[in-house]
Amino acid sequence: DAKTTQPPSMDCAEGRAANLPCNHSTISGNEYVYWYRQIHSQGPQYIIHGLKNNETNEMASLIITEDRKSSTLILPHATLRDTAVYYCIVRISTGTASKLTFGTGTRLQVTL
Amino acid sequence: KAGVTQTPRYLIKTRGQQVTLSCSPISGHRSVSWYQQTPGQGLQFLFEYFSETQRNKGNFPGRFSGRQFSNSRSEMNVSTLELGDSALYLCASSLNVGTARTEAFFGQGTRLTVV
Repeated sequence: DAKTTQPPSMDCAEGRAANLPCNHSTISGNEYVYWYRQIHSQGPQYIIHGLKNNETNEMASLIITEDRKSSTLILPHATLRDTAVYYCIVRISTGTASKLTFGTGTRLQVTL
Repeated sequence: KAGVTQTPRYLIKTRGQQVTLSCSPISGHRSVSWYQQTPGQGLQFLFEYFSETQRNKGNFPGRFSGRQFSNSRSEMNVSTLELGDSALYLCASSLNVGTARTEAFFGQGTRLTVV
């Protein structure tokens, strides 16, 4: 799986948009960008994923650059419950197996 | 519908013992993967099962093993426990294997402490 680079930590004021960047400059054409988050000692929670188009769901939006070398996860109105470690992962399909390769993620702290 | 269920949630074992952890995937999901999370190494892939067959394996010693049953439920076993095996063990289920299009959903994990 392609390597991802994320800032180790970010702060965001409650009610503001949280924009979490991810660099995946070595991504290849059939690799998807996935975002998960993990609140302390719980299992990772799936947020969103995409291939090359921007995606939006009830939790967040995913913006992928045209060259696919980077992406941004947007939480439109962050709340204290969004405080977590956010992982950006690129995931390849091999036809017979799959796995998620987690990096160190971004620790997002949402404050009042 | 019910999510991924892992049992037990917490476990304390002594060095040298063995342990078996259980994972019930989301209904209809046929792929189960296991991960180990430690403060030092982060989240690391252990193995993946689909149709009762191991499809992918991470870089862990042979003391770590797993299996999957016909109902897609999976177990992982760690033999001859070492202190360094203390970790949060996470199970994830997916609809299918080998496709990056479908998301994987995680359970709450089993916290194993080896003393």
